Parts: sequence; C-alpha cells; structure tokens
Amino acid sequence: GDSVTQMEGPVTLSEEAFLTINCTYTATGYPSLFWYVQYPGEGLQLLLKATKADDKGSNKGFEATYRKETTSFHLEKGSVQVSDSAVYFCALSTNAGKSTFGDGTTLTVKP
Amino acid sequence: EAGVAQSPRYKIIEKRQSVAFWCNPISGHATLYWYQQILGQGPKLLIQFQNNGVVDDSQLPKDRFSAERLKGVDSTLKIQPAKLEDSAVYLCASSLGLAGGDLDEQFFGPGTRLTVL
Repeated sequence: GDSVTQMEGPVTLSEEAFLTINCTYTATGYPSLFWYVQYPGEGLQLLLKATKADDKGSNKGFEATYRKETTSFHLEKGSVQVSDSAVYFCALSTNAGKSTFGDGTTLTVKP
Repeated sequence: EAGVAQSPRYKIIEKRQSVAFWCNPISGHATLYWYQQILGQGPKLLIQFQNNGVVDDSQLPKDRFSAERLKGVDSTLKIQPAKLEDSAVYLCASSLGLAGGDLDEQFFGPGTRLTVL
C-alpha cells in the first residue's frame, strides 16, 4: 500500500541554520505531494505542495522538489527562525483519492 | 471565512462506552475527511466523503466505528463500544475537491482529543 517515511526527529537547530527534513514515499501512479505544518497549539495547515515530477513547491522560504526517480520530497529552508518551530508532516494523495501522512518531524529552533 | 469546526474539543470516557464527534466543514467544500492521530504518529485516514457519498473507508474499523454525512454538509463519527486503543485525537478536514485532484488542499479542524479509561 501507499506509505510515507519521514526523517525521525526531533530536530534542533540554531537560528539561521540550514534545514533539511527528508521524506520518501511509496505509491502507485503519480501522487500529489504535500508538506503540512502544525505550530504549537494550532491545527494542521498546508505549507506547500507539488503535483508532478520536478515540480517545486515553495512557501514562507521553505522549498521541496518532487523527485520521481528517488521517490522523495525533501523539505528545505536556507535560514530557519525561532517561529519555524513546529511539527512538519509529509503527505501524499493518489489519483484514487487516498491520503497518507508520515509520522511527523518535530523542529525546534533555538535563538 | 470560517474554518472547520469540531466538537467537543475533549472527551473522556470509559472503555465500552459510546462517543460521537461532530464536524462542520468549510462552506462549499465537497470532500470531508476523518483522521485518527495517535500520539507520536501522523494522521491516519479513517473515512473520506465526497458530498454525502463514501469515497474511501478502507481503514475504518467498521465493527465499532461508523460515520455519516447527511445532506453532504456536516458529519458525525461514532465509536461504539470504545476500547483503550481508541485514545487519540480525531481530526476532521475538508477540501474543495477530491484528494489527488487540483483542489485537494485539506483544511483541518482543531481536533477532538479522546481519552478512553
């Protein structure tokens, strides 16, 4: 079946450090790929998405590129801020309408 | 624009009791999802509706869980009887279109935290 594997956390970085959170997936067909974020005390919200191979999703300084050859969708940010501290979830949706989430990666950014 | 509403926010019950959760999606959103999120894990899809029809309920434990979306708007999820392992946050989400389509960004509610003792 479909699955999403995320880099295990927690991840702790200093402000202005470079961030990478790895995400790989297994799915039939050509899924859409997402990163959702959950800030402390808030609900899940979409951060970015990509719908086909080589697409790059971007938002708030975060980027992720849909790599079909490596079945990956790694999240990156060049310079993290304290306000980026949150739980990040990688997810996919298939053409059949199925949604699958990874287990989340907790990011803590220290000043 | 109002977001996805869920109630109650918290519920504590004893095992073998019944419980129901309610969700009101964003107005105009055709697709509604119920997820179960156990502590330390990602959301697991239980059931997905498009309007008032079921698109996917393959991971819904149908011996104890049921869900309905009458009139294609709000929805209820019921557990009867509850087990200890049902302790989790139950998330409702909605989207304009079906998962996998162009309008599939999901908007999540705040969730209901269920504790089964």
